[in-house]
Amino acid sequence: DTGVSQNPRHKITKRGQNVTFRCDPISEHNRLYWYRQTLGQGPEFLTYFQNEAQLEKSRLLSDRFSAERPKGSFSTLEIQRTEQGDSAMYLCASSLGLGVKSYEQYFGPGTRLTVT
Amino acid sequence: DAKTTQPPSMDCAEGRAANLPCNHSTISGNEYVYWYRQIHSQGPQYIIHGLKNNETNEMASLIITEDRKSSTLILPHATLRDTAVYYCIVRDNRDDKIIFGKGTRLHILP
Repeated sequence: DTGVSQNPRHKITKRGQNVTFRCDPISEHNRLYWYRQTLGQGPEFLTYFQNEAQLEKSRLLSDRFSAERPKGSFSTLEIQRTEQGDSAMYLCASSLGLGVKSYEQYFGPGTRLTVT
Repeated sequence: DAKTTQPPSMDCAEGRAANLPCNHSTISGNEYVYWYRQIHSQGPQYIIHGLKNNETNEMASLIITEDRKSSTLILPHATLRDTAVYYCIVRDNRDDKIIFGKGTRLHILP
C-alpha cells in the first residue's frame, strides 16, 4: 500500500520540549496538507504546500510551529516549546495539484501528540 | 467556520440504508458539496462530492436538493464497518483547504 504515512504514530513529550513529525505523501502527489484534530472536533487546517512552496498558513499556526517540505516530497512539522494545548492528533494529507482527481485529499493515520 | 449543519449522531440498523442529512443554506454557486468519513483511529476518507446533480459511486449516493441548500448522503446497505463520523463539507474547488465541522457520528447497530 503506498498511501500517506506518518511517523511517529504516537508521541508523548513534556511541556517545553520540541517535537518533530514526518509525513510521506503519495509519491505522485504534489500537494501536501497539515491538519490538527482535537477530541470531538473535526480536523482544522494548519498549512499546505505545493511541491516545496508553502502556500498558505492558518492563523492557528503560531510562531512555535514550523513546517517544511524541502525537496517537494516528505514534509516535517516541528513544534517548539510544546504546551499542553498542543495535545492533539496531527494529520497529513496529500493530493494531485491538477487534474480530475485534484479535489480528493488522501489522509494519513495521524500522529497523536500528548504533552504532559 | 464550517458552512454546514449536521445532526451530531444517528443510528442505523445493519443492512438498512443510512441517510445522513446536511444543511448548507448559504452555499454559493461555485461551491461543491463533499462528504468525508473518519473511522476511529484513522484519517478522514473521501466518499463523494457533487455540485448540482445527484451522484453515485461504489461507496454511496449523494442527493442534492434543487435549491442546493441541503443534501443527503445515502449508504445503501450499511454494515458495521460503516460506523464512523461523517463530515459534510462545502468547498470551492479553487480553495485547497478543507473546512471540517463536527460531523455526524453514525452508529450501525447489529
